[in-house]
Amino acid sequence: DTAVSQTPKYLVTQMGNDKSIKCEQNLGHDTMYWYKQDSKKFLKIMFSYNNKELIINETVPNRFSPKSPDKAHLNLHINSLELGDSAVYFCASSLPGQLNSPLHFGNGTRLTVT
Amino acid sequence: AQTVTQSQPEMSVQEAETVTLSCTYDTSESDYYLFWYKQPPSRQMILVIRQEAYKQQNATENRFSVNFQKAAKSFSLKISDSQLGDAAMYFCAYRQTRGGSQGNLIFGKGTKLSVKP
Repeated sequence: DTAVSQTPKYLVTQMGNDKSIKCEQNLGHDTMYWYKQDSKKFLKIMFSYNNKELIINETVPNRFSPKSPDKAHLNLHINSLELGDSAVYFCASSLPGQLNSPLHFGNGTRLTVT
Repeated sequence: AQTVTQSQPEMSVQEAETVTLSCTYDTSESDYYLFWYKQPPSRQMILVIRQEAYKQQNATENRFSVNFQKAAKSFSLKISDSQLGDAAMYFCAYRQTRGGSQGNLIFGKGTKLSVKP
């Protein structure tokens, strides 16, 4: 009965490769997010989608491209991986328009670029 | 732009005692929402407690309570009767209610809480 699930849990890859992280939520939420947690544990928004439409796009390199095939899924594709991309990536979801409701987070994907 | 500051990178508490984690924020909005999340070593992000800015009453969830001071823009978390399982990173977060980033959570840098047996 996992609410927000991400795959894979760990991802180790070499510089220059392309990789994807998948996210699915079964909460019926319309809004989904990608957050990046750096090595100092700082969490920052990357993207937000509402019902498959991009609504937040922070200053993120073009190598990062989110894709939302439907409102239950938000995948993150990363091209030409760099060492600095190593981090934990969290997917989250929430009810739209209900700002007092919390974001529900997945368990994160630890990406290591060597 | 809104900012969230957690001035205590690390804190320590004896089991069964009480600890308070500090959080201040900066905003020009009058209506907003504040949250505390817990991140144990498992990496999971767990909601601890939430507070609506328009409510004067401080939120409480079992052993967790907040001291919300709107004028001072302060939102501290008090953990009573600390347990070993409370050991984690604690993040204070501000939810944006306006503008292009509406709905986004802005996080503080976190406080690492250790609980001593």
